[in-house]
Amino acid sequence: NAGVTQTPKFRVLKTGQSMTLLCAQDMNHEYMYWYRQDPGMGLRLIHYSVGEGTTAKGEVPDGYNVSRLKKQNFLLGLESAAPSQTSVYFCASSPGAATEYFGPGTRLLVL
Amino acid sequence: GQSLEQPSEVTAVEGAIVQINCTYQTSGFYGLSWYQQHDGGAPTFLSYNALDGLEETGRFSSFLSRSDSYGYLLLQELQMKDSASYFCAPWGYSTLTFGKGTMLLVSP
Repeated sequence: NAGVTQTPKFRVLKTGQSMTLLCAQDMNHEYMYWYRQDPGMGLRLIHYSVGEGTTAKGEVPDGYNVSRLKKQNFLLGLESAAPSQTSVYFCASSPGAATEYFGPGTRLLVL
Repeated sequence: GQSLEQPSEVTAVEGAIVQINCTYQTSGFYGLSWYQQHDGGAPTFLSYNALDGLEETGRFSSFLSRSDSYGYLLLQELQMKDSASYFCAPWGYSTLTFGKGTMLLVSP
């Protein structure tokens, strides 16, 4: 079992460019989450999904979109990247309880 | 509104016992989770308290008092590898709420 994987591990974007971050899990979990973590800020929830085909907004959803077309995948999109979106992005999955399994993270730098 | 408070930093020596406190105010509270994160790594689950009382997992224990909106993580027989950030995270409405965490520094 690979658990939760994230692609890419690191990316540099210019302001205004778009990109998609991919999260995949092989644990058959219903719930999936996207967080961002900035220095000294802890983890902040961007969007989440409680099942295939569903998405919901978290604490900081502006500037991001998500899709959950397949149960095992959760995509996070940035349509027009801004320097304020420079961060470490973590994906997590859960069977529907308080135990979340995190991926290794994607480090994004927006210039 | 929602609020979450933990100390920003705690220091201790190897072999000691340390307690990290957490007070929370959140809607739709079902229980309290604790996560560990080493520098540059991903958060990993440590424990979850759905009911009042103490949960023990090896060297780590976690406590919850719903009436006081308070919990703590107790780490015993501290080791250098325990140096990390620790997050309490209330669970409710299908999501966890993470605070800024507590950085634990363990010295020889």
